[in-house]
Amino acid sequence: TQLLEQSPQFLSIQEGENLTVYCNSSSVFSSLQWYRQEPGEGPVLLVTVVTGGEVKKLKRLTFQFGDARKDSSLHITAAQPGDTGLYLCAPRENTGFQKLVFGTGTRLLVSP
Amino acid sequence: DTEVTQTPKHLVMGMTNKKSLKCEQHMGHRAMYWYKQKAKKPPELMFVYSYEKLSINESVPSRFSPECPNSSLLNLHLHALQPEDSALYLCASSHGSGSFNEQFFGPGTRLTVL
Repeated sequence: TQLLEQSPQFLSIQEGENLTVYCNSSSVFSSLQWYRQEPGEGPVLLVTVVTGGEVKKLKRLTFQFGDARKDSSLHITAAQPGDTGLYLCAPRENTGFQKLVFGTGTRLLVSP
Repeated sequence: DTEVTQTPKHLVMGMTNKKSLKCEQHMGHRAMYWYKQKAKKPPELMFVYSYEKLSINESVPSRFSPECPNSSLLNLHLHALQPEDSALYLCASSHGSGSFNEQFFGPGTRLTVL
């Protein structure tokens, strides 16, 4: 499974700002998951997107799966300090189902 | 109970020591995983157990030895580690196979090899 590139690698913003994190690959995936890892904790699943062009919302977080199922984005509206963490995308395949290969990660710091 | 517990939380060991990391879940999950995470990097898969049998070994050096005594427990035995093995070791579990199965992670054991 190809490693997904995430951008930016690091983002430091003030509370209330908006931001977008990108997850890109040249491969097509059957689905894609986004996880958030807070300091001192393990990753926690935020969402799974399955259909090309799909948009899912989780409170202030909006996830989109690219039409061609090669990329995804995560948009956070009015970021809060509690959003601080490492955001990881992970493609899921129909085969090799047990393997979870994370993208390169985006480290987000939201300051009060 | 949707928790994966890991012990110890921190571990410091010498290169000649033998130690074990432990992971436990009581969600009835039949798949369990070990990941290694270096600082500022994403977690990397090491091992997968499915129904208490090792199903994936990502070419991990033999100084790391996994064990699954029963469906709730997963151990990682460590022997003759190197300083570069210092990392956060994460355990995870999932209901089973299937590409959408959510993996639940423990908080990790932070390992330092001197």
